[in-house]
Amino acid sequence: QKEVEQNSGPLSVPEGAIASLNCTYSDRGSQSFFWYRQYSGKSPELIMFIYSNGDKEDGRFTAQLNKASQYVSLLIRDSQPSDSATYLCAVNTEANAGKSTFGDGTTLTVKP
Amino acid sequence: GAVVSQHPSRVICKSGTSVKIECRSLDFQATTMFWYRQFPKQSLMLMATSNEGSKATYEQGVEKDKFLINHASLTLSTLTVTSAHPEDSSFYICSASRGGRGETQYFGPGTRLLVL
Repeated sequence: QKEVEQNSGPLSVPEGAIASLNCTYSDRGSQSFFWYRQYSGKSPELIMFIYSNGDKEDGRFTAQLNKASQYVSLLIRDSQPSDSATYLCAVNTEANAGKSTFGDGTTLTVKP
Repeated sequence: GAVVSQHPSRVICKSGTSVKIECRSLDFQATTMFWYRQFPKQSLMLMATSNEGSKATYEQGVEKDKFLINHASLTLSTLTVTSAHPEDSSFYICSASRGGRGETQYFGPGTRLLVL
């Protein structure tokens, strides 16, 4: 079992819809959770981080964390074609002190 | 913001030569820097973790004598690919963190290496 698992996709949604990206992790000691977006041929860029259970909203993006179930998700509201990219989930554990374990990413396509 | 730069952005070299890639944190002090490699349509692969003033910690399977990492200051880390071969052709990405368990990694734009 991978430490951080994501559906590889591709996930396809129509423009204006909500895109839901999911991530599960195996280490119960995980403390910090990050979502990155990576456009083809580019390096990852941070979208959001979340540390506590519940929802965290930033514009069209909402991160949801459930430590009991060991999953973290990212919702993208009003999806735009420019949101088409690969989304990487990353998890930090106490022991790794800043080192992230990345999922393989979910490829999202938003169709106009 | 937190800006990380990499130089060069793209390099082509002959097989057997060495290539140095620089990673700089421009507006913050990076206690820790990370080096990744990414092949086309594959996921990020962590190569090593670099802490300022100490030796890098390499991931399993990464040859430390081939991929030399130096983190001489809180704003600069370098990766040298020694005796490069065509199979080393890849997208090399660094990231920088202020450190600590919760700290975000800020990624550089990446360096695309092609070894002929």
